[in-house]
Amino acid sequence: EPEVTQTPSHQVTQMGQEVILRCVPISNHLYFYWYRQILGQKVEFLVSFYNNEISEKSEIFDDQFSVERPDGSNFTLKIRSTKLEDSAMYFCASRDLTANTEAFFGQGTRLTVV
Amino acid sequence: GESVGLHLPTLSVQEGDNSIINCAYSNSASDYFIWYKQESGKGPQFIIDIRSNMDKRQGQRVTVLLNKTVKHLSLQIAATQPGDSAVYFCAENRNRDDKIIFGKGTRLHILP
Repeated sequence: EPEVTQTPSHQVTQMGQEVILRCVPISNHLYFYWYRQILGQKVEFLVSFYNNEISEKSEIFDDQFSVERPDGSNFTLKIRSTKLEDSAMYFCASRDLTANTEAFFGQGTRLTVV
Repeated sequence: GESVGLHLPTLSVQEGDNSIINCAYSNSASDYFIWYKQESGKGPQFIIDIRSNMDKRQGQRVTVLLNKTVKHLSLQIAATQPGDSAVYFCAENRNRDDKIIFGKGTRLHILP
């Protein structure tokens, strides 16, 4: 069964450092998302991406965040200068809107900022 | 504003019994309501969804009920199994092009 793949599974970084979280969406999907989940809390929307541009972003997605689809398969989330409060699970999801299907989520990257 | 919330944070159910997880929503404009299951260390996994023009939808061992009058959504799991232990999130989607908005989770414990 096709799945969304995220790497790394766990990333530890120093406060102020840049991190790039990587996602490989399901191959025929066109709509991509990043979500985050602080430990024990609900899943929060960060950004959606379609047709090589951001469709929508939340208040959390400030100037420190950016997304990119550098090639035909990867979808990345960059945090420019990490803060302690960026520590969370980050989930990538993709959806095939032409088939009107639900969004599929990856297993997540646990980001720990120290 | 928009919000999707759950009534109870935890629910303990005897193995083999049926469980019901409830959710309230406030955005009448939502067209899809979705239930996700999240096991420890994993991403949300789609269980079932229901469109706003329906009031009931059944899947394998799961049933989702939608009451638009009181803006209430529930997930019924029949004959619960140990593998059903997880956090369950209700979520809403205004339309298929839109972001998914998650509510707070309910942790379901299956007792032996």
